[in-house]
Amino acid sequence: QSVLTQPPSVSGAPGQRVTISCSGSSSNIGAGYDVFWYQQFPGTAPKLLIYSSSHRPSGVPDRFSGSKSGTSASLAITGLQAEDEADYYCQSYDNSLSGYVFGTGSKVTVL
Amino acid sequence: QLQLQESGPGLVNPSGTLSLTCTVSGGSIRSSAYYWGWIRQPPGKGLEWIGNIYYSGATYYYNSSLKSRLSISIDTSENQFSLKLSSVTAADTAIYYCARVMYYGTEDAFDIWGQGTMVTVSS
Repeated sequence: QSVLTQPPSVSGAPGQRVTISCSGSSSNIGAGYDVFWYQQFPGTAPKLLIYSSSHRPSGVPDRFSGSKSGTSASLAITGLQAEDEADYYCQSYDNSLSGYVFGTGSKVTVL
Repeated sequence: QLQLQESGPGLVNPSGTLSLTCTVSGGSIRSSAYYWGWIRQPPGKGLEWIGNIYYSGATYYYNSSLKSRLSISIDTSENQFSLKLSSVTAADTAIYYCARVMYYGTEDAFDIWGQGTMVTVSS
C-alpha cells in the first residue's frame, strides 16, 4: 500500500552529498500535508529524523535536511558519513486513504 | 525517559487472532498530547501503518485495508494499549512496532518507538 515512491538505493562516497526523493500525489504531499523522515538501522526500530518536512528533532545532526515542493519531498545528507548507512523512509498523510502512508524506503550505502 | 515495549505470541495459526500489547514506561499513557499507534514491517520490506488510538479510547483511526479485522484498545490503569488482528494469513507475518504519535502542528508522526516484536503466521 506504498503510495509514496522512493529510489530503492542511493550511494555516495564519504563527504559527498546525497539526496533521497519521495514522490507522492495530489492526495498526500501535493495536498499540502507535511512529510516526515525516518532512519532505520538493521534489526532496530525506525527513528524520527525530520518532522514537518524540514525540521530536525533535538540530537539529529544538521547534515540531515528536508524539503518539500509540489507532490514531492527530499531528504539530503551532506558530508556523508559511514554511520549514515541505513534505510530511510518518508511518511505523510493521504486523504483518499484517510490514513498515514510510508514511502517504499531507500537504502543508503556509503562507498 | 519514555519507553515502549511490545509483548505477545511470536507464532499465530492461520485464521487465528494476533494479539499484542504495548507497555509504556517512564511516562503516562493518559496524556492529552499524544495518540498511541501500531506500525508493522514484513521481513525485508517497508513500513505499514496499522492504526492509532487516543488515551480516552473513544477516538481511533485504522488503516482502511485492515479495518474489518482490526481492534485497538487502551488500558490507562495498566499504561498499556493493545492490538488484535483477526483472520490472519501469512501476509500478516511481520515485525510489529508500537509507537507514540505526536502532533507536529499539521500532521502526526511517530516520535518514540518500541523495539518491535516478530510475529509469524504459520501452522
